[in-house]
Amino acid sequence: KQEVTQIPAALSVPEGENLVLNCSFTDSAIYNLQWFRQDPGKGLTSLLLIQSSQREQTSGRLNASLDKSSGRSTLYIAASQPGDSATYLCAASNYGGSQGNLIFGKGTKLSVKP
Amino acid sequence: GAGVSQSPSNKVTEKGKDVELRCDPISGHTALYWYRQSLGQGLEFLIYFQGNSAPDKSGLPSDRFSAERTGGSVSTLTIQRTQQEDSAVYLCASSSSRGTYNEQFFGPGTRLTVL
Repeated sequence: KQEVTQIPAALSVPEGENLVLNCSFTDSAIYNLQWFRQDPGKGLTSLLLIQSSQREQTSGRLNASLDKSSGRSTLYIAASQPGDSATYLCAASNYGGSQGNLIFGKGTKLSVKP
Repeated sequence: GAGVSQSPSNKVTEKGKDVELRCDPISGHTALYWYRQSLGQGLEFLIYFQGNSAPDKSGLPSDRFSAERTGGSVSTLTIQRTQQEDSAVYLCASSSSRGTYNEQFFGPGTRLTVL
């Protein structure tokens, strides 16, 4: 059974810092891994999706990496801004069984202080 | 529409009543998912529809929960005889099975409060 863990649960940084959010998963037979952002009281916004055959994806100041062998993914945020403050969730999608549904970590709540 | 929509945005009900939550997926998306986000529990999968295949109901927490998807588009999640532990945000997502490696797009959710 796939389990996804995110550390730390909360992170506070000053504006302008580069930061890394961590995600680990127990079953390396993943189809893809997706990073989301959730603002308070809102739904999820997809940030990046990494296919199982890829090692990283980039969008603007965001870079996500995937290492299946170690069961880890990281989300790197460059030059953080107060507008980046939100909860970041990673989720894995597995082959077989309930193929397609996402298994989520509990998220990292990021606060970027001006 | 441009994205996944859900209605109502908020629902307050009394214990024991039935509720229906609605999801309109992105046009053309063949896959539709329901998830629940409870305080302290994180996001958990409930049910998954893919095209005309039988839905995957493996995440439904009890037989009080059911869902249907009519015409391959709109979906309704029904909770019968609601309990206080059903209070949560119910999120719907859709994805296309072509070329996007199952990237899921979420709606804004329905916040359900059972008194």
